[in-house]
Amino acid sequence: DIQMTQSPSTLSASVGDRVTITCRASQSISSWLAWYQQKPGKAPNLLIYKASSLENGVPSRFSGSGSGTEFTLTITSLQPDDFATYYCQHYNSYSWAFGQGTKVEI
Amino acid sequence: EVQLLESGGGLVQPGGSLRLSCAASGFSFSSYAMSWVRQAPGKGLEWVSAISGGTTTYYADSVKGRFTISRDNSKNTLYLQMSSLRAEDTAIYYCAKGASIAPRCAFDLWGQGTMVTVSS
Repeated sequence: DIQMTQSPSTLSASVGDRVTITCRASQSISSWLAWYQQKPGKAPNLLIYKASSLENGVPSRFSGSGSGTEFTLTITSLQPDDFATYYCQHYNSYSWAFGQGTKVEI
Repeated sequence: EVQLLESGGGLVQPGGSLRLSCAASGFSFSSYAMSWVRQAPGKGLEWVSAISGGTTTYYADSVKGRFTISRDNSKNTLYLQMSSLRAEDTAIYYCAKGASIAPRCAFDLWGQGTMVTVSS
């Protein structure tokens, strides 16, 4: 099975900062990668699909890049509403897997 | 309104069974793959099972042979039949809508989740 590894596990940042989260796949997944945001007590919310496509309604300060085995989620100018946990997920094969999550905290 | 509403969670003894339901509304249910994803308390997300717009099913190794996913497109409802439950199955169970009829896609709509606790 394909394993997904995110780094860092926790990230301390301030409002206005540029933030980058990395996700690595144990084997190539082409661009079959999504990013989700989850706030405490809430369901996850899709931000990015196919590695770099922004989901409808998601602010443009979120962007994704990468292909193959290495991917990044970037948040330009972090806003108070962005403090949350972020997960990457591959859907390359019929055995989906999530990264362990990255908590973005103040 | 486009939404997913899970139900059926609760407390069950180890070895017991439980059936979760997920009622969909606001979209053409039969046109999309669906999945179950769980999250143990304080832990990350774990994909559990998926089903195509028809009847093709997929399972995580951790639940294969114990859980069965199904859907009733006439009732716009997704199910997860869970049996031989273990303490490690304790989690919030989310149903999630795929972005296409084929399961190989991201999840663009999630329910609010239903809690399953396996304990004696």
